[in-house]
Amino acid sequence: RKEVEQDPGPFNVPEGATVAFNCTYSNSASQSFFWYRQDCRKEPKLLMSVYSSGNEDGRFTAQLNRASQYISLLIRDSKLSDSATYLCVVNGNTGRRALTFGSGTRLQVQP
Amino acid sequence: EPEVTQTPSHQVTQMGQEVILRCVPISNHLYFYWYRQILGQKVEFLVSFYNNEISEKSEIFDDQFSVERPDGSNFTLKIRSTKLEDSAMYFCASSDDLVGDEQYFGPGTRLTVT
Repeated sequence: RKEVEQDPGPFNVPEGATVAFNCTYSNSASQSFFWYRQDCRKEPKLLMSVYSSGNEDGRFTAQLNRASQYISLLIRDSKLSDSATYLCVVNGNTGRRALTFGSGTRLQVQP
Repeated sequence: EPEVTQTPSHQVTQMGQEVILRCVPISNHLYFYWYRQILGQKVEFLVSFYNNEISEKSEIFDDQFSVERPDGSNFTLKIRSTKLEDSAMYFCASSDDLVGDEQYFGPGTRLTVT
């Protein structure tokens, strides 16, 4: 089983649509969870951390289900500028900082 | 907004040559990292560095690789004898000293080994 598994997409959605991405992780001892976005041939940029209580940042909402080892990201009112690859990222066991990346889900927002 | 910087943006080298990739982490950060991304593949952890020593490393980070903090601002990755399969984008990242905190990535160095 892959450590962090994501649907590669692509997700092609019209502007204004709501889109959701999911991710599962295999290491139940993982402590920290993130969504990063990556534009073509650029660095990963932190989008948001993901907390057990769920968290929202503007149009973006992230949820974590530790029991199911499942993370989600919801994007509301999609913009053309949201087109990117969204990376689900977890760190390892307690005290370890190495990040494990999923392969990413590609989003293409169309006019 | 503070950011991680990396030089050079692109390095071309011949197989067997040594390369040094340079990074300037965010100034108040204490943890430094190197990751790599082979074209079309996922980002992979190489090494983390804290308090002037390696704190974690992956299986990829073998004896060919070394890291150094030569002064108060730079953080370097050296590859001693490059191989074709070392061709990748190398990202430096940094974070502060809170467990589980957020890592911020530099723009990367594209290494091409011919």
